[in-house]
Amino acid sequence: DADVTQTPRNRITKTGKRIMLECSQTKGHDRMYWYRQDPGLGLRLIYYSFDVKDINKGEISDGYSVSRQAQAKFSLSLESAIPNQTALYFCATSDIGLGQETQYFGPGTRLLVL
Amino acid sequence: EDQVTQSPEALRLQEGESSSLNCSYTVSGLRGLFWYRQDPGKGPEFLFTLYSAGEEKEKERLKATLTKKESFLHITAPKPEDSATYLCAVQAMNRDDKIIFGKGTRLHILP
Repeated sequence: DADVTQTPRNRITKTGKRIMLECSQTKGHDRMYWYRQDPGLGLRLIYYSFDVKDINKGEISDGYSVSRQAQAKFSLSLESAIPNQTALYFCATSDIGLGQETQYFGPGTRLLVL
Repeated sequence: EDQVTQSPEALRLQEGESSSLNCSYTVSGLRGLFWYRQDPGKGPEFLFTLYSAGEEKEKERLKATLTKKESFLHITAPKPEDSATYLCAVQAMNRDDKIIFGKGTRLHILP
């Protein structure tokens, strides 16, 4: 079984709809992240959480919100989807062991907003 | 402003032809520099973390090095299965521990 899972894997929605992307991890990591990836722009950080009570905005948080329901679950919501939110979304987790941080990414959710 | 720049954007090599990918960075205090491999339609796969200038790490045909301004990913005698996009990221040493990704280098190894 995958350590970091994302649901759904693919989603088509319409402008104005509210949608939620979910991420679960079995690695026991405290830190979780949401990124979006667009062709030519690379990976950009949307939100991140260092533990259940610590949630921080990344560089492109406008139009998004998150919920850290438990150590293992971190959800990303698009309050009112718009076409320029069409992208590939990745969840990641990380742990700091012996001073070394390693990030592990999920398989991604491909979102199309019409 | 913290920034990560990768070059070249794309690279085509013959099988066995060694080369290097570059990641230059400007950050207000480096906590760590990361290299990832990403195959089409998949999530990035962690390769290395480097923390201080002079540090080197190796994995199979890949070797990552770090200076105060840049990192290199050296690929020795590559094989077609090494074809992928290679991403570099840096983590800034500030309260937020922010991680910034470069746009990646698309590597294609011809058989």
